Amino acid sequence: EDQVTQSPEALRLQEGESSSLNCSYTVSGLRGLFWYRQDPGKGPEFLFTLYSAGEEKEKERLKATLTKKESFLHITAPKPEDSATYLCAVREGGGADGLTFGKGTHLIIQP
Amino acid sequence: DGGITQSPKYLFRKEGQNVTLSCEQNLNHDAMYWYRQDPGQGLRLIYYSQIVNDFQKGDIAEGYSVSREKKESFPLTVTSAQKNPTAFYLCASSADRRTDTQYFGPGTRLTVL
Repeated sequence: EDQVTQSPEALRLQEGESSSLNCSYTVSGLRGLFWYRQDPGKGPEFLFTLYSAGEEKEKERLKATLTKKESFLHITAPKPEDSATYLCAVREGGGADGLTFGKGTHLIIQP
Repeated sequence: DGGITQSPKYLFRKEGQNVTLSCEQNLNHDAMYWYRQDPGQGLRLIYYSQIVNDFQKGDIAEGYSVSREKKESFPLTVTSAQKNPTAFYLCASSADRRTDTQYFGPGTRLTVL
């Protein structure tokens, strides 16, 4: 059973068409939830860390929010350069120090 | 220019050979990690180290070994015991085990011929 589930698996948007990516998790005692961006053949690039329900963080066209069961990555007026795979990961309190990752959402922004 | 470097970018291995992947960081981070990424799967933790001369197994440690003799270096050896080693390998570091954010290197793509 997956502890971190991301949806949709793939999303194609027109430039300027806002949308949201979902990350649901089932770990107990969430210590932190992380969003990364990954371009093909590259390592993940850190975007946000969220620690508690109700927390929100923004960076340019991206905004991440957290509830007790899921997180959303909102993309406002996306541009083609926002095309990438977006990864969600969680760290469980009391567990090993590594992160548990979802399978990612592959986002394509068409001009 | 601080960051994490991994080498080589591409690596080819014959069956039965051991190979070592390099990971170096100049961020003065205490903790370092190795993950494996396969198509259609999330990243999976292989090994991690919170401090020099100490490391722990992650979820998929079988067929891999590591060492942490220096703070800035955390090499990963893929041994012949690893049955399906073809994958993209990612190294990460964090300031210490209390600081959760992990920063990743550019990765090494290993292919078994």
